[in-house]
Amino acid sequence: GENVEQHPSTLSVQEGDSAVIKCTYSDSASNYFPWYKQELGKRPQLIIDIRSNVGEKKDQRIAVTLNKTAKHFSLHITETQPEDSAVYFCAAGGGADGLTFGKGTHLIIQP
Amino acid sequence: GAGVSQSPSNKVTEKGKDVELRCDPISGHTALYWYRQSLGQGLEFLIYFQGNSAPDKSGLPSDRFSAERTGGSVSTLTIQRTQQEDSAVYLCASSRGRSTGELFFGEGSRLTVL
Repeated sequence: GENVEQHPSTLSVQEGDSAVIKCTYSDSASNYFPWYKQELGKRPQLIIDIRSNVGEKKDQRIAVTLNKTAKHFSLHITETQPEDSAVYFCAAGGGADGLTFGKGTHLIIQP
Repeated sequence: GAGVSQSPSNKVTEKGKDVELRCDPISGHTALYWYRQSLGQGLEFLIYFQGNSAPDKSGLPSDRFSAERTGGSVSTLTIQRTQQEDSAVYLCASSRGRSTGELFFGEGSRLTVL
């Protein structure tokens, strides 16, 4: 089955700086790579996703890049704000199995 | 309903008792997942239902755990002879199709085993 590794487990950045979270996956059949944000005490919610036919996707301050050859994808958040503080999960799917999540990154935005 | 509904929202039980957790997915969603999230931890995959196909049970941690999905809709996760390490939030999610669509999560069922 799919195996997703996510780094770092905790990331602390100054407000206004950029944050980058990286994930690798193992199953070359995976073709769908979403990112979920989970605020404290709440359910995970989709913030952005990318499919294997594109290398980059942007939505305002959030972007995701995908390198299928190297089997890794990254989340980039620019001009970070306090409300960006949360746990972020990457995931990979589209193969025979369901969606597999990484272990999460706790993003802390320092004022 | 508008979203994924889970019940109970909180369950406290004694070690050795059986518990049932229920998930009512979004109408028309064929894919349904169960995940377990221990305090401050990630999303541990438990089981995946897709339409009428045989479920992917590869994430169930032991034979004390089982799940069914009746009529392609409501799902029940059953934990028999609960142990303290079963304490966690159990999250259900559904999506329109296979593993390439947005997952909509329920609020979760918080299980505490004393």
